[in-house]
Amino acid sequence: QKEVEQDPGPLSVPEGAIVSLNCTYSNSAFQYFMWYRQYSRKGPELLMYTYSSGNKEDGRFTAQVDKSSKYISLFIRDSQPSDSATYLCASYFSGSARQLTFGSGTQLTVLP
Amino acid sequence: EAQVTQNPRYLITVTGKKLTVTCSQNMNHEYMSWYRQDPGLGLRQIYYSMNVEVTDKGDVPEGYKVSRKEKRNFPLILESPSPNQTSLYFCASRLTGSYGYTFGSGTRLTVV
Repeated sequence: QKEVEQDPGPLSVPEGAIVSLNCTYSNSAFQYFMWYRQYSRKGPELLMYTYSSGNKEDGRFTAQVDKSSKYISLFIRDSQPSDSATYLCASYFSGSARQLTFGSGTQLTVLP
Repeated sequence: EAQVTQNPRYLITVTGKKLTVTCSQNMNHEYMSWYRQDPGLGLRQIYYSMNVEVTDKGDVPEGYKVSRKEKRNFPLILESPSPNQTSLYFCASRLTGSYGYTFGSGTRLTVV
């Protein structure tokens, strides 16, 4: 079983829709949770991170972590065509020298 | 501009011909890491380095070598490439105590 599971999609939505991207993880030691965005032919870039459970909001983006159910979510409000990318969730715990464990990524297309 | 630079961006080679993919960062980051990205498998860590002369294996180190003689450089060496090493490779770096990696733009390697 992979430590971080993510539905690969692809996911296609109309412009303006609310997008929900989700991951589950199995390692209870994970403390830090991140979302990376990867445009085609580019490297991933850090979008948001959260520590432990709770919500974090940044503009149109909200990251949510539920440690009791080991569930990670990213919500995108008022989605735009420029949000079309692959979104990767990632987790790690303090003291983990091997650093991040990534999900396989969800490909999102926002149609104008 | 703060960045991670990988070269080459694209490489086609033949089985068994040694090659090196270079990675350089200008941010004085201690941590550096190599990942490979394959469809359905996401990003998997090959090797990482916590500082100069300190390297360790990630999840998929077989067939790869690395060295960290200088803080800014972290080359990936394939001594005898095989077709199953055909993949998209990313180098990444981060500061101690920070959460997010900065990724390079990737190297698409094809081994025939």
